[in-house]
Amino acid sequence: DAGITQSPRHKVTETGTPVTLRCHQTENHRYMYWYRQDPGHGLRLIHYSYGVKDTDKGEVSDGYSVSRSKTEDFLLTLESATSSQTSVYFCAISELGSSSGANVLTFGAGSRLTVL
Amino acid sequence: GQNIDQPTEMTATEGAIVQINCTYQTSGFNGLFWYQQHAGEAPTFLSYNVLDGLEEKGRFSSFLSRSKGYSYLLLKELQMKDSASYLCAVMDSNYQLIWGAGTKLIIKP
Repeated sequence: DAGITQSPRHKVTETGTPVTLRCHQTENHRYMYWYRQDPGHGLRLIHYSYGVKDTDKGEVSDGYSVSRSKTEDFLLTLESATSSQTSVYFCAISELGSSSGANVLTFGAGSRLTVL
Repeated sequence: GQNIDQPTEMTATEGAIVQINCTYQTSGFNGLFWYQQHAGEAPTFLSYNVLDGLEEKGRFSSFLSRSKGYSYLLLKELQMKDSASYLCAVMDSNYQLIWGAGTKLIIKP
């Protein structure tokens, strides 16, 4: 299996509290992504990173921030969680950038977040 | 806007063949991906098409017609373990992946 782990796998929190999800990879891949998956929607990109300290916004970045201080770790932070952020969050990694053709993503097992 | 359409759910019989369709309207095209996702698990890569035609990989094949904005995933000799959601994703002209909502495939004995 690809070395990508997410933590925590499950979290229940209250509205207004900060939450940080962690993605850790042992593949030394340059590219890392955070997606959310909700029923009836396709995967939606929140933020991505193309190197240490190099990050950019995806299509649903409002309310989220990220940090990548090491190649292996990509953190997703919800500064003040809202009920609309209840979702399953997937981290993904890829060796190649999107413009390199078959940019195959390897996903982590997901983090299920419930905001009450 | 950009759009990927897939059927929400399909049912098929063990041992049979099933075709899952995906139509897309995107700003540009730089490839189409199929992923499999078992319930409660991560999506895993199945196939990639960038040129028209059929790509075969064991029991799974994927077809692409760029002029029609259409792809299908063909699963042969269905097994119970093929029960999963199948996600279609298109890479647009900005190399952004646009994902369909997925097709839940139910296999019956």
